[in-house]
Amino acid sequence: QVQLQESGPGLVKPSQTLSLTCTVSGGSITTANYYWGWIRQPAGEALEWIGRVYTSGTTKYNPSLKSRVSISIDTSKNQFSLSLTSVTAADAAVYYCARAPKFNLYLDSWGQGILVTVSS
Amino acid sequence: EIVMTQSPATLSVSPGDRATLSCRASQSVNSYLAWYQQRPGQAPRLLIYDVSTRATGIPDRFSGSGSGTEFTLTISSLQSEDFAVYYCQQYKNWLVFGQGTKLEI
Repeated sequence: QVQLQESGPGLVKPSQTLSLTCTVSGGSITTANYYWGWIRQPAGEALEWIGRVYTSGTTKYNPSLKSRVSISIDTSKNQFSLSLTSVTAADAAVYYCARAPKFNLYLDSWGQGILVTVSS
Repeated sequence: EIVMTQSPATLSVSPGDRATLSCRASQSVNSYLAWYQQRPGQAPRLLIYDVSTRATGIPDRFSGSGSGTEFTLTISSLQSEDFAVYYCQQYKNWLVFGQGTKLEI
């Protein structure tokens, strides 16, 4: 059974770049059958889809974040990563990585989440 | 962008009751509709996809129905572990979640 685990700094300063990594175990990130994505959830709020990457490296992002987001994949490490630039307090949230079947973007496996605080 | 609206925001029920949660899309999402359960401090868990298909390991007391713009998640006999927040999500056009329904005792 595939497992996902987020890692990265839990504290980021305003205007800096948030960088997180998701490590996939129990399955290969190079499978043709899945997308790999990021979702976030501010405290007490709903879930927001950030974007996804495919094994080929192709990406698609939430239009509301597109100018600040980059998602990349490292098949040699079975990892994919999120970069969000110019963060503000509004970017503070629990960030989840997840897997979605290709062509059907429901999320069938999730990481446990990582809390990111934005503060100087 | 398709907007997903869930109702009610909070549903107060008792163990053993039947719970019915609603989700409405601002335009048709065909059958591209999923439901998730999120317990406090945990990641969401996929319950239902394609409107009515239960995910692996999900008990049959959870069922989904609907089409187009109106969808329902029914929990037939509530267990203590079912008290959580439930989200619907469309995946016809990008990926958008509803605001959630909190199921409370």
